[in-house]
Amino acid sequence: DGGITQSPKYLFRKEGQNVTLSCEQNLNHDAMYWYRQDPGQGLRLIYYSQIVNDFQKGDIAEGYSVSREKKESFPLTVTSAQKNPTAFYLCASSMPGTSGRYLDEQFFGPGTRLTVL
Amino acid sequence: DQQVKQNSPSLSVQEGRISILNCDYTNSMFDYFLWYKKYPAEGPTFLISISSIKDKNEDGRFTVFLNKSAKHLSLHIVPSQPGDSAVYFCVGGSNYKLTFGKGTLLTVNP
Repeated sequence: DGGITQSPKYLFRKEGQNVTLSCEQNLNHDAMYWYRQDPGQGLRLIYYSQIVNDFQKGDIAEGYSVSREKKESFPLTVTSAQKNPTAFYLCASSMPGTSGRYLDEQFFGPGTRLTVL
Repeated sequence: DQQVKQNSPSLSVQEGRISILNCDYTNSMFDYFLWYKKYPAEGPTFLISISSIKDKNEDGRFTVFLNKSAKHLSLHIVPSQPGDSAVYFCVGGSNYKLTFGKGTLLTVNP
């Protein structure tokens, strides 16, 4: 069973604490992504990584950090510098060119809902 | 600056009828477009895509139309089924990056 796992599904933290969200994939995909969704909004890109040991900022990277030490894993740390951390966080992965397709279909995990109290 | 716009936050249709979800975009650099479907508290799932060099792509009950001159695309679902009830995101893609619209909540009534 190939897929993307995110844990935990629900996470609660006190204001001022850093928290790390897990994302693991066994699809052998090169690229991985982190998005944030707020109520009534589309998904906004936080960070993405095209290959191991490399990542780029997305549209809303401030207050977040990532690492990509392994192909399978792309953890996201929400730091105390993030002003409004309460949101639904989604991780995705893709492999451009898979199955003869050049379109970059991204596969999403089930998401983690982070609530900062 | 909203590069992908879905101006209808919600749409309600009867089972068996056609659902038409619309999307406008401003970024001419998108190489392709995708539609994703999302249920509450779950990750989005890919539905259908279209290259920017095409004007139509069909997959079963789902057809996406692209009008590049108008910077407009639409998703047609026919016939609509109650299980199609979900939020549909219109997405523009270019060079690894996806840009999502805010979504349209489709409700298909039995």
